[in-house]
Amino acid sequence: AQTVTQSQPEMSVQEAETVTLSCTYDTSESNYYLFWYKQPPSRQMILVIRQEAYKQQNATENRFSVNFQKAAKSFSLKISDSQLGDTAMYFCAFMGAQGAQKLVFGQGTRLTINP
Amino acid sequence: DVKVTQSSRYLVKRTGEKVFLECVQDMDHENMFWYRQDPGLGLRLIYFSYDVKMKEKGDIPEGYSVSREKKERFSLILESASTNQTSMYLCASSSPSLSNEQFFGPGTRLTVL
Repeated sequence: AQTVTQSQPEMSVQEAETVTLSCTYDTSESNYYLFWYKQPPSRQMILVIRQEAYKQQNATENRFSVNFQKAAKSFSLKISDSQLGDTAMYFCAFMGAQGAQKLVFGQGTRLTINP
Repeated sequence: DVKVTQSSRYLVKRTGEKVFLECVQDMDHENMFWYRQDPGLGLRLIYFSYDVKMKEKGDIPEGYSVSREKKERFSLILESASTNQTSMYLCASSSPSLSNEQFFGPGTRLTVL
């Protein structure tokens, strides 16, 4: 079975700083997808960024980028020029490429951006 | 925009009550999911459905059942609520023909007394 581990329960940085959230996973599959989801306080979970395992290039979405290390089974999220609106719970998630589109989530990291 | 709605944001029930949590999506998605979210545990899959009247157990199905009579609606049922089912419940939907992104509802915070 796949597992996803986020080892940082909480993080706090100042506005405009860069912050990196860590995620490791375990799987025997060769093809899969990895996601970072964001859950702002009292608001719905939304997708931040997605990485396909067969693509070597790291995904980027504006200020959000990932460092995908397939051999190390590591998938970290970097937020550049952090903003107050980035304050949220962040979840790393794994999805196998075969079968049902089920997500396996990590424990989450609570990120606070301070003014 | 995809919209996933859940019938209640907050719900308080008594031990032993039968509880229904409803989820509706408006984008004709084939897949629907129920998760529970607990601090320090992330989201864990309870049940999912990939078609009308089809359902499969997730990682923690004990104490729960589901119903999907129409494509847009997926219900989670707690047959006899217990205090250890106090949690945040999130519904999600996706379509394998479009992308693998799951779209989430706002969640229902259930308290069982």
